[in-house]
Amino acid sequence: GAVVSQHPSWVICKSGTSVKIECRSLDFQATTMFWYRQFPKQSLMLMATSNEGSKATYEQGVEKDKFLINHASLTLSTLTVTSAHPEDSSFYICSAGGVLKRERVNTQYFGPGTRLTVL
Amino acid sequence: GESVGLHLPTLSVQEGDNSIINCAYSNSASDYFIWYKQESGKGPQFIIDIRSNMDKRQGQRVTVLLNKTVKHLSLQIAATQPGDSAVYFCAEKVGTGGGNKLTFGTGTQLKVEL
Repeated sequence: GAVVSQHPSWVICKSGTSVKIECRSLDFQATTMFWYRQFPKQSLMLMATSNEGSKATYEQGVEKDKFLINHASLTLSTLTVTSAHPEDSSFYICSAGGVLKRERVNTQYFGPGTRLTVL
Repeated sequence: GESVGLHLPTLSVQEGDNSIINCAYSNSASDYFIWYKQESGKGPQFIIDIRSNMDKRQGQRVTVLLNKTVKHLSLQIAATQPGDSAVYFCAEKVGTGGGNKLTFGTGTQLKVEL
């Protein structure tokens, strides 16, 4: 199947600092990337949808100035959590959707997630 | 933020038994459905999908059933193994394109007992 990577896999930061998470599609070009947040024992909640070269579309209740998304190429999207606070501690997961070189084209392929802990 | 006291529904099965995980979806316009498996600390892993013009689809040891009348989806796992222990999510979307957003269900924790 298609491979999506995230970096870092986990990060601990102090309150007030900014953290950048990278999401890369390794073997296909992703026209669309999605960012999710998942709290313990809960489902994935979509934060935003980003299309290459255009501004991200944020879900209701997600602060666009706090969660900065950049999708500068067909293989890389970044999520920056600005001025992070303890309540931003969560598991952040990206997924990539787009035309694959092989296999199905309809689904999203998920990255392994990034565990963010804000002290 | 995080909800205190929230817990996932849990299904416990004996190794070798069949498992049935259910999901109620919300959007009658959804026409594509996917089941994902998520192990602790990892991202969701695709299991099987089904389009709305079908009511059943089979994969290796897994079967998905779709009942559009009552907006219900189920995942059947045959001969459940310890490696099947994980959280299972159904997801729905309108349109099959990879750029269309998914809406996830609440999830079910599957525990396989030896």
